Amino acid sequence: ETGVTQTPRHLVMGMTNKKSLKCEQHLGHNAMYWYKQSAKKPLELMFVYNFKEQTENNSVPSRFSPECPNSSHLFLHLHTLQPEDSALYLCASSQEGEASNEQFFGPGTRLTVL
Amino acid sequence: GQNIDQPTEMTATEGAIVQINCTYQTSGFNGLFWYQQHAGEAPTFLSYNVLDGLEEKGRFSSFLSRSKGYSYLLLKELQMKDSASYLCAALDSNYQLIWGAGTKLIIKP
Repeated sequence: ETGVTQTPRHLVMGMTNKKSLKCEQHLGHNAMYWYKQSAKKPLELMFVYNFKEQTENNSVPSRFSPECPNSSHLFLHLHTLQPEDSALYLCASSQEGEASNEQFFGPGTRLTVL
Repeated sequence: GQNIDQPTEMTATEGAIVQINCTYQTSGFNGLFWYQQHAGEAPTFLSYNVLDGLEEKGRFSSFLSRSKGYSYLLLKELQMKDSASYLCAALDSNYQLIWGAGTKLIIKP
């Protein structure tokens, strides 16, 4: 595997379900990100982890819970979601300390909340 | 507040040239990125500008004017596979990316 991988690619869940999204990066980066992408809206940064420490939480509702067990893996735990949470959830990684801070994205998880 | 503006949608003809503009207002500035995103796929890096001027990379070029808070992405010799969304993002003083909503580019034969 190379780059950034995400599973599952598609997820349909009810509002009472609990599910988790998984992201893995094979690039040796030290920072990982969760983004929400809704149609015709800018990418919304949700969480940032730098060296496994959460450095950013952009006022995300508590029904989204991130977990970063090591610098290569990132999870997003979901519970009691709302229909408006339906979106594409993108994971990205980068090497902090590099001037360009280029982010490498995974293919995303298309989430539908019924 | 911080803001990125770019057109929602543009249409161009195969073989032609198209310029996608982006204006930004950020707290501090550490560079501007362009990403390409095909429908249903991940965004992929196209360019990074931090100094004024034009950077050319094959059929794609990116321009930056820091004094004007302005950038553009120039695509030459358009191909059908260039149909995608193009995302502009500025790096602020905290090295956080501020994203535009993207420009959907439609290429017609």
